[in-house]
Amino acid sequence: RKEVEQDPGPFNVPEGATVAFNCTYSNSASQSFFWYRQDCRKEPKLLMSVYSSGNEDGRFTAQLNRASQYISLLIRDSKLSDSATYLCVVIPISSGSARQLTFGSGTQLTVLP
Amino acid sequence: GAGVSQSPSNKVTEKGKDVELRCDPISGHTALYWYRQRLGQGLEFLIYFQGNSAPDKSGLPSDRFSAERTGESVSTLTIQRTQQEDSAVYLCASTSGANVLTFGAGSRLTVL
Repeated sequence: RKEVEQDPGPFNVPEGATVAFNCTYSNSASQSFFWYRQDCRKEPKLLMSVYSSGNEDGRFTAQLNRASQYISLLIRDSKLSDSATYLCVVIPISSGSARQLTFGSGTQLTVLP
Repeated sequence: GAGVSQSPSNKVTEKGKDVELRCDPISGHTALYWYRQRLGQGLEFLIYFQGNSAPDKSGLPSDRFSAERTGESVSTLTIQRTQQEDSAVYLCASTSGANVLTFGAGSRLTVL
């Protein structure tokens, strides 16, 4: 099983729709979680951190489910500009290795007019 | 500088040639990562530098790949005797230790 798994998609949704992605992780000791966004042929950029209690940033909501070992990203009222690949990042509390960050392979979202 | 700077932005080379890619991290960022991203694929970890500690080279795919970093400044990734499968975007990222990475725009390598 991969350390971090994401449904690659693509998710094709109409403008204004609500869409959600999940990201599952295998290391139960994982402590920090993030969502990054990567536009086509661009570098990844931080979208938001994921806090234990869940957090919102405008139309974006991130949640953590420790029992089932996944994080989720919900996008409400999707815009054309939300079209991108969404990457989850998981960091264990103590990996024993300097390579702490594990990226998922990304979920591709296309918002259609 | 204000962001992570990578050069060259694009490099086309012939199979068998050596290439050197450069990364200027954000000033004060102690940690630096190199990733490889093939077309349509996810990020593949290559190497990690943290301050003056020994780098984590566990992601380097072969001994043709090497990287250096002097202190907490510039890093160079060198690929010797390039192969066509080395064609990819090479991304550098730095962090101050808060686990949030800032990426450079990448160096797109094409091996003919």
